[in-house]
Amino acid sequence: QSVLTQPASVSGSPGQSITISCIGTSSDVGGYKYVSWYQQHPGKAPKLMIYDVSNRPSGVSDRFSGSKSGNTASLTISGLQAEDEADYYCSSYTSSNTYVFGTGTEVTVL
Amino acid sequence: QLQLQESGPGLVKPSETLSLMCTVSGGSISGSTGSWGWLRQPPGKGLEWIGGIYAVGTTYYNPSLRSRVTISADTSKNHFSLTLTSVSAADTAVYYCARRPLGYWDYWGQGILVTVSS
Repeated sequence: QSVLTQPASVSGSPGQSITISCIGTSSDVGGYKYVSWYQQHPGKAPKLMIYDVSNRPSGVSDRFSGSKSGNTASLTISGLQAEDEADYYCSSYTSSNTYVFGTGTEVTVL
Repeated sequence: QLQLQESGPGLVKPSETLSLMCTVSGGSISGSTGSWGWLRQPPGKGLEWIGGIYAVGTTYYNPSLRSRVTISADTSKNHFSLTLTSVSAADTAVYYCARRPLGYWDYWGQGILVTVSS
């Protein structure tokens, strides 16, 4: 089962904006609205940050936003803060009625 | 507040069977319109979806694991379980249980590290 491609690492200074890409195919990211993003701090369980491409669960900061264009989904973190330093994973439903995750991106706040 | 908690042995011998349970509190498995699932994360690596089960009993699995995986639920005890047979070192991972209302997982357990070693 293929995984979605993410950059290994992204960094930014406090207050800046960064964007993490998640590249799939027309059989997953490009074909469905079920793209989600998860934040994971070391030793902790993943936390849902974005669902259905661009929706934020209650309690998630509006500094986090999601979008999709073609086969690529993106997560943008605005006003970067030290607490945003974590690993981020995208996920998508697929045409095989399965779910696939991205390779993961380590976000560093400089 | 919905809470999920994984339990089971932290060490399994190669070729044996891994069995984990996820106990749900603060909500009912049978009351969910979504499903309940298992995911895992090998040390230092990314997340992998294992499979899930709907309250009515319908199951769905990752094709790469389907031949070795069984997910079941006991709605009377409000828990669901994972069984993975013929394990090897490649199955060493933190195993998470989670709720999937639609195309995403919103509530996760804290995870349990399972090591496959003799």
